[in-house]
Amino acid sequence: EVHLVQSGAEVRRPGESLKISCEGSGYRFTNYWIGWVRQMPGIGLEWMGIIYLADSTTKYSSSSQGQVIISADKSITTAYLQWSSLKASDTGMYYCAATRNGEFAWPNWGQGTLVTVSS
Amino acid sequence: QSALTQPRSVSGSPGQSVTISCTGTSGDVGAYNFVSWYQQHPGRTPKVIIYDVSERPSGVPDRFSGSKSGITASLTISGLQADDEADYYCCSFVGSFATYVFGTGTQVTVL
Repeated sequence: EVHLVQSGAEVRRPGESLKISCEGSGYRFTNYWIGWVRQMPGIGLEWMGIIYLADSTTKYSSSSQGQVIISADKSITTAYLQWSSLKASDTGMYYCAATRNGEFAWPNWGQGTLVTVSS
Repeated sequence: QSALTQPRSVSGSPGQSVTISCTGTSGDVGAYNFVSWYQQHPGRTPKVIIYDVSERPSGVPDRFSGSKSGITASLTISGLQADDEADYYCCSFVGSFATYVFGTGTQVTVL
């Protein structure tokens, strides 16, 4: 069974940087893709990008390309989502999700990290 | 990578059936049988209820079923129950970007 644990809620000011994490555990977890999903208040789910833990191959959605960086450290089976300069519009809940390589649905989800950006 | 199109809301009485459509393009829903559906109750994390168009994960009741025709996928909930009241999102693999896209989401209300 795969288990994902995300870092805690964050409050930042516009222009500040932030890096949130998603640690996974389970059998052969390095053979998994981890995806990041944004959910803004009262709005639907939006894919940001995905990363393959084994070799850090990363794919970004067109709306997230250049806005965030997705990275991973396979030695500690952890993926990261980072911003160099936050905007108020980045406020929202961020989920990580995981799926085995070769599968195309996302059965495993983290508990979510709430990011609040406010001056 | 535009969001897949879903109706904003559907409703039904207990015991009835409802169907949610999910319309994409020839580059996503129409190109691959990698459509999945997620149920999200308020304040909870999403849960996959259908994968690969019509497969159900273990533990998901057979009241939930999925199908696809062309660029439109569908989720049908039969024998509607109070606990089915939630938001539902479709999701498709997008080959040209090797990533994914969600639908706009549908709120299901049990009358």
